[in-house]
Parts: sequence; structure tokens; C-alpha cells
Amino acid sequence: AQKVTQAQTEISVVEKEDVTLDCVYETRDTTYYLFWYKQPPSGELVFLIRRNSFDEQNEISGRYSWNFQKSTSSFNFTITASQVVDSAVYFCALGSGNTGKLIFGQGTTLQVKP
Amino acid sequence: GAVVSQHPSWVICKSGTSVKIECRSLDFQATTMFWYRQFPKQSLMLMATSNEGSKATYEQGVEKDKFLINHASLTLSTLTVTSAHPEDSSFYICSAQGGLAGFTGELFFGEGSRLTVL
Repeated sequence: AQKVTQAQTEISVVEKEDVTLDCVYETRDTTYYLFWYKQPPSGELVFLIRRNSFDEQNEISGRYSWNFQKSTSSFNFTITASQVVDSAVYFCALGSGNTGKLIFGQGTTLQVKP
Repeated sequence: GAVVSQHPSWVICKSGTSVKIECRSLDFQATTMFWYRQFPKQSLMLMATSNEGSKATYEQGVEKDKFLINHASLTLSTLTVTSAHPEDSSFYICSAQGGLAGFTGELFFGEGSRLTVL
């Protein structure tokens, strides 16, 4: 079975703190893709990153970084020096096999307070 | 980058009426599109896979006669909520799979359509 678990339902931090959002996935496929999306109150999904199962290299993009570890089936997302504008719901998603249909985690609501 | 447009962004309708939502890929062809539904404070749940020129594939528990999907061209898929009821009020969002030869990781989401049924 395919599954994505985001164990943290809500996280609240104060501006400038670092915060890590956890994502654990399950799949039997050897080829798969992992995604992170940001969903602000307006509702649209903002694409943050895509990783395929053959690329375990960690990635950094500005204040954002991602740690992909196949050994623990995790794809965690860290925001460094958080800002109020980072407040949103963040979804981790799994695309498995030869199809673009995604299984989403339950989402983590991040609140960054000034 | 590739753009997927959904229309309308929001719609309010009376119970019993039908509502059509369009999902259009603006600068690329998409043989496969996906429709998701998101209830307030919940995650996105896949409703169906829309394939150009063929019948949609519905996920378990989704009524195909209530949620009609038509993918008549490589750039347009439509979702029609028939005889809408208040419990159908939700945020509907589509995605389009980039590439014409299988999934290579390229996916583009529309802006979403918020449906409120009175």
C-alpha cells in the first residue's frame, strides 16, 4: 500500500526559528517521486520541490532544505530562519509508478508568529 | 513554466443544480489529468484520473454518475458536479501530467475551484 504520513498536524514557531516538517512514506515501487507543496489560505498549491527515488542528494534552496533518506523512507523539509510569510499548510506527496496521481499526507499547518 | 488554469475559481449554486469546472493546460498537451477534492482543513483526495479520449478512472467511493469527467482534448478536462448538494461543497483542484509518454515527474496544478452549494 502507498501512504504518506505527516505526523505533525500543527507547528507554531516564532519568527527566525528553524523548523522541520516531517514526512514518512510507504511504497513498494522502486521508481517514485516525492513532492512538497505549500498551500496558503487562498488555496492554490505552490510547488516547492520534486525528488525522484534515484536521487538521494539533499537540496537547499534559499532558506529551504530537504533531507531525503530512503533508508528511513523519509523526506523531511526544513525552513531556516522562518518568516511570517512561511505560515501555510505544507503537504508532502508521493507519486508512484508510471502515473502522476499523488497520494498526499495529511498536511502540517505551520504558524510563524512575529 | 507550464500553466494549468481552472475556471471558475469559485462558484455558488443552489442545491439540485449542476456545476461544470474546467481544467485547461495552457501551453502544453496533457493526455492525463487528475481531479482532487479537499474538504476544509483536510488533505487532498484523488477523485479520478482523466484520460484524453477515453473514460475516466474513478477512485473507490467516488460516484461516477455524480462527478462526470470529460477529457475531450489534449488541453481540456471538465468536471461536472451533477445535482449538487451542500455536502458537495468543497475545494476541487486539478493537475495535469506533463509529457505524452508516461509520467516523468512533471505535474502542474490548477488554482483550484471552490464550490459552495446552498
